[in-house]
Amino acid sequence: KAGVTQTPRYLIKTRGQQVTLSCSPISGHRSVSWYQQTPGQGLQFLFEYFSETQRNKGNFPGRFSGRQFSNSRSEMNVSTLELGDSALYLCASSLLGNTNEKLFFGSGTQLSVL
Amino acid sequence: AQKVTQAQTEISVVEKEDVTLDCVYETRDTTYYLFWYKQPPSGELVFLIRRNSFDEQNEISGRYSWNFQKSTSSFNFTITASQVVDSAVYFCALSERDGATNKLIFGTGTLLAVQP
Repeated sequence: KAGVTQTPRYLIKTRGQQVTLSCSPISGHRSVSWYQQTPGQGLQFLFEYFSETQRNKGNFPGRFSGRQFSNSRSEMNVSTLELGDSALYLCASSLLGNTNEKLFFGSGTQLSVL
Repeated sequence: AQKVTQAQTEISVVEKEDVTLDCVYETRDTTYYLFWYKQPPSGELVFLIRRNSFDEQNEISGRYSWNFQKSTSSFNFTITASQVVDSAVYFCALSERDGATNKLIFGTGTLLAVQP
């Protein structure tokens, strides 16, 4: 069974640009969550999607958005990039997104904003 | 407010030593779940163990064991006979039921270095 796949693995952008990150969950998983990891703030919840609907969003500005497709694949978009957006963005999937479910994480996309 | 604290920033041990990673949490929920994840240099977080709030029985799984104490809000994780491959960052996490979904509140992580 293939794991969670995130593309691209590395990305370099400049301030003001926008970026789209992709995540393919484990087959059969309908919940996809995104987390941002930085040395200063640690791991922080961005948002969660289930059946193409955003069910929850963390405390991030509107520049951060996402979507989920009918095959459960998800994308997240960051517009008007800032230096502080440099981070490892991790995607995780689970069957239903319930409280007791373990999450399966991808290897992440390392975004560097110059 | 929900919060997870891992006071140990870095731990260094010699192979075959036992090591315990500390985790203290805060939550207003009466039912919750606690997790430990491992993050090797490759980046992905790997699930290790899960504990619910209503069963305080401590368990052992291979070289891993955990000690859940609801009275002190602690969820410590022990690796017995550590190996070099155990070197990674370990995160304790609290599952928070927020609206229609769960989200994980992570601690800041403990970097474990196992020396040969």
